[in-house]
Amino acid sequence: GAVVSQHPSRVICKSGTSVKIECRSLDFQATTMFWYRQFPKKSLMLMATSNEGSKATYEQGVEKDKFLINHASLTLSTLTVTSAHPEDSSFYICSAARDRAYEQYFGPGTRLTVT
Amino acid sequence: QKEVEQDPGPLSVPEGAIVSLNCTYSNSAFQYFMWYRQYSRKGPELLMYTYSSGNKEDGRFTAQVDKSSKYISLFIRDSQPSDSATYLCATGGSQGNLIFGKGTKLSVKP
Repeated sequence: GAVVSQHPSRVICKSGTSVKIECRSLDFQATTMFWYRQFPKKSLMLMATSNEGSKATYEQGVEKDKFLINHASLTLSTLTVTSAHPEDSSFYICSAARDRAYEQYFGPGTRLTVT
Repeated sequence: QKEVEQDPGPLSVPEGAIVSLNCTYSNSAFQYFMWYRQYSRKGPELLMYTYSSGNKEDGRFTAQVDKSSKYISLFIRDSQPSDSATYLCATGGSQGNLIFGKGTKLSVKP
């Protein structure tokens, strides 16, 4: 149990376009979902926390208008990178938690490359 | 001061060795301590977590937390080549706001 999927696994887009990444909990209902970004040889950095039906809570320094998060159901959250720039290129990973927010199960990640 | 410090390694051990992975953290308010395993280009996999101080054992893995010294450890007994991965420690509160270390890359040689 506790399987989380992400789609797409890899995406290349042109500067100025928007990209949507989906995160799904496949075999459980996730009360809370999290979005992280990971740069090479760096720590996973929490970007935002979202609860189903509520607005996401963004970490300091993360632009909410650039990284749009929608948590439409207990099994689906989406992250949209708007007007992407090359510096947004990174590995984006989501996680989902059932009833204990600290017990998070991660998706396989999405490699975003902005050209 | 970084909130979670973790030696990035790489750490190379022979098969069957006992592996010790460690992290230090700075925020004494943290109550939850996690260990994740991450294979290259994959998402982290939760290995185990502990609440507050103490030990927790799961098969060949033992997690240890010493809150007095803000030190967390993961021990792997009888290490196998399949244990080769990057191990991430993380700490945080009940709201799920986890702070991760950079990860230690482990290689277990047959």
